[in-house]
Amino acid sequence: EAGVAQSPRYKIIEKRQSVAFWCNPISGHATLYWYQQILGQGPKLLIQFQNNGVVDDSQLPKDRFSAERLKGVDSTLKIQPAKLEDSAVYLCASSYEGYTEAFFGQGTRLTVV
Amino acid sequence: SQQGEEDPQALSIQEGENATMNCSYKTSINNLQWYRQNSGRGLVHLILIRSNEREKHSGRLRVTLDTSKKSSSLLITASRAADTASYFCAITGNQFYFGTGTSLTVIP
Repeated sequence: EAGVAQSPRYKIIEKRQSVAFWCNPISGHATLYWYQQILGQGPKLLIQFQNNGVVDDSQLPKDRFSAERLKGVDSTLKIQPAKLEDSAVYLCASSYEGYTEAFFGQGTRLTVV
Repeated sequence: SQQGEEDPQALSIQEGENATMNCSYKTSINNLQWYRQNSGRGLVHLILIRSNEREKHSGRLRVTLDTSKKSSSLLITASRAADTASYFCAITGNQFYFGTGTSLTVIP
């Protein structure tokens, strides 16, 4: 079975620019997560979708971050405008249903300069 | 904010020794999971223990859960150099949060 696909793998942008990340979860997985992982820290949940509805976005900085999951499948995470502290790895994960085993993509490493 | 804290933050052992890492959490849970992350890679699921279970085994892994103390431990027996990685607990209750992680180095 194909895993969770993320693109791009790497991105370098200047502060105040915008950036978007894409995630294609495992087929049939209803739950999709976006995490931010700063170097040396654990993943921080940004947003959790159940199908195309938001379950938890309490830690999403909504003034600059947005996410959508169209038709309950693919998802995009956008940052606009980016700040230096947004430099991190952005991980997408999916699971068959909430709180069961999550499968992670390779992540997108974002560097804001 | 992180809902789980792990200790130690870093652990270095010789190949063949056992490695134990602990996770403490604050909220009620549905289940608790452990993941491994090799440098620069995504996380890989290791084991899931439900809130009504006290111990679970998978190969060289043994996980315990004490809901009264809100803590869990992961034991890796007969460690190998390939076990070198960061290990995270994931607390699943109302949300799906990860702990701070333990960096394990196994010296050949």
